[in-house]
Amino acid sequence: ELKVEQNPLFLSMQEGKNYTIYCNYSTTSDRLYWYRQDPGKSLESLFVLLSNGAVKQEGRLMASLDTKARLSTLHITAAVHDLSATYFCAHGGNDMRFGAGTRLTVKP
Amino acid sequence: DTEVTQTPKHLVMGMTNKKSLKCEQHMGHRAMYWYKQKAKKPPELMFVYSYEKLSINESVPSRFSPECPNSSLLNLHLHALQPEDSALYLCASSQDFSGQGIHGYTFGSGTRLTVV
Repeated sequence: ELKVEQNPLFLSMQEGKNYTIYCNYSTTSDRLYWYRQDPGKSLESLFVLLSNGAVKQEGRLMASLDTKARLSTLHITAAVHDLSATYFCAHGGNDMRFGAGTRLTVKP
Repeated sequence: DTEVTQTPKHLVMGMTNKKSLKCEQHMGHRAMYWYKQKAKKPPELMFVYSYEKLSINESVPSRFSPECPNSSLLNLHLHALQPEDSALYLCASSQDFSGQGIHGYTFGSGTRLTVV
């Protein structure tokens, strides 16, 4: 059974600080996604990681994939308030499943 | 067109009502999905259609009935729902059955359903 475990579930950061969100998955399918969701809104695709060692960056967010460890990370650099949202990792091919989500709050 | 369009955006229905949610995409995607999201929870997969055929049903109660009339349209027919079915219903599409492509899945804005 496909399982996706994400941590931490809650993250309160100071502006300007760095932090990493972790996502572990259980199956050999190596397709990993990161999404952002603002309150009351739909899901915004951030990154699609398709192979071992894949690293993608967009602004202050960088995602990586280690298929041997079945681990993906989302690194936040120099956080700003606008990054406050819930971040989900998701895994799978034809049956994408989501982690529990990390609710990120960036404080001044 | 790079969007998935869902209608209506909001829906309030009684437990004896019949209603339908609609999802449309014109990106040529051949796989379409329904997800259900309760407040402060992750989206949960309900149904997957590939090339207009139902390929995955995640043991969803029969009061939810999906339909894919053509490659651009996906409907979710609702009948005799319960208050606990109140949630955000999200439709998504992807290039093909395996979610290939650099953009992965594209999600619609969702239908917020309230069952009274």
